[in-house]
Amino acid sequence: EADIYQTPRYLVIGTGKKITLECSQTMGHDKMYWYQQDPGMELHLIHYSYGVNSTEKGDLSSESTVSRIRTEHFPLTLESARPSHTSQYLCASSGGSRGNTIYFGEGSWLTVV
Amino acid sequence: QKEVEQNSGPLSVPEGAIASLNCTYSDRGSQSFFWYRQYSGKSPELIMFIYSNGDKEDGRFTAQLNKASQYVSLLIRDSQPSDSATYLCAVSGGGADGLTFGKGTHLIIQP
Repeated sequence: EADIYQTPRYLVIGTGKKITLECSQTMGHDKMYWYQQDPGMELHLIHYSYGVNSTEKGDLSSESTVSRIRTEHFPLTLESARPSHTSQYLCASSGGSRGNTIYFGEGSWLTVV
Repeated sequence: QKEVEQNSGPLSVPEGAIASLNCTYSDRGSQSFFWYRQYSGKSPELIMFIYSNGDKEDGRFTAQLNKASQYVSLLIRDSQPSDSATYLCAVSGGGADGLTFGKGTHLIIQP
């Protein structure tokens, strides 16, 4: 299984603050993803990456941005947080011998007040 | 637009019985099929994947795939209260945008 680490796990911040959610994986997977999920609701893909220097927007429009400078690292940034950004953000990766199988990190719960 | 459909439930099953979870998908070119389990407040965890028509068994879990009918199912034998969770069906066409997830079926195992 992939080891994917997300920090912070829980964060409460004020409106207008800039926030970066960190995600790192140790399996050398080339593909990485960010999903957004409200409690009890479905997963929405907001960003994905084929590899270093590759980023794409997902199915759900998001005001966040991502970067992929290193294979193992895929941070997500909100320049100016709003209460509508309150959600769980799940980082995931796939690749290697398991191909399309996606493995998730533990998630980052963001609350914007 | 790829779609994956699941009955949202809740599906209530007595402890010890067989739970049957179903999923249909729209893209005939889909190649890989996955079942994830998600406990409340946690991230999804992979239970099984299946690529070929037929059944695949892993412990108490059996995945069934019928590509002609575009249908995937997950059977859980000897259901336990710890199996109570939301089960997500996911489908891949091989593209880099990953898996298409269904909305999930909420399963409740009643003691």
